[in-house]
Amino acid sequence: KQEVTQIPAALSVPEGENLVLNCSFTDSAIYNLQWFRQDPGKGLTSLLLIQSSQREQTSGRLNASLDKSSGRSTLYIAASQPGDSATYLCAANTGANSKLTFGKGITLSVRP
Amino acid sequence: GAGVSQSPRYKVAKRGQDVALRCDPISGHVSLFWYQQALGQGPEFLTYFQNEAQLDKSGLPSDRFFAERPEGSVSTLKIQRTQQEDSAVYLCASSSRTSWDEQFFGPGTRLTVL
Repeated sequence: KQEVTQIPAALSVPEGENLVLNCSFTDSAIYNLQWFRQDPGKGLTSLLLIQSSQREQTSGRLNASLDKSSGRSTLYIAASQPGDSATYLCAANTGANSKLTFGKGITLSVRP
Repeated sequence: GAGVSQSPRYKVAKRGQDVALRCDPISGHVSLFWYQQALGQGPEFLTYFQNEAQLDKSGLPSDRFFAERPEGSVSTLKIQRTQQEDSAVYLCASSSRTSWDEQFFGPGTRLTVL
């Protein structure tokens, strides 16, 4: 059974700092890994999708990497801004039963 | 274009009532998923449709939960005889082709059972 872990549960940084959010998963037989952003009381916004054959994906100030062999993914946020404050979730798609298995998320606060 | 929409956005039910939650996926998307998100937790998979076929319902917590997608577009998640533990946000997602394409989520329906 796939398990996804995100540590720490919360993170507070000053504006402008570069930061890395970590995600680990137990079953390396994944089809892809997806990073999401969730604002309070809202749904999930897809940020980046990394296919199992890829090592990283970039979108603007965001860069996500994937290391299947070690069961890890990271989301790098460059030059953080207060508007980046949200909960960030990673989810692994093992494909066998088509579901995404989510971590509990990291709640990020960027202080002005 | 329009994203995934869900209705109602909020639903309050008395314990024992039946509820129906609606999901309108992105037009043309083949795959549709339902997830349940408890407070402070990540979403958990409930069920998956490919067109009108329900291919996986392993995450449905009990036989009080039922989902359908009769014409391969709109889906309804029905919960019978609601219990307090059913209180959660119910999220719907769709993807364009296969189950391992990027999933796009709706805003969710927050269900509160009193």
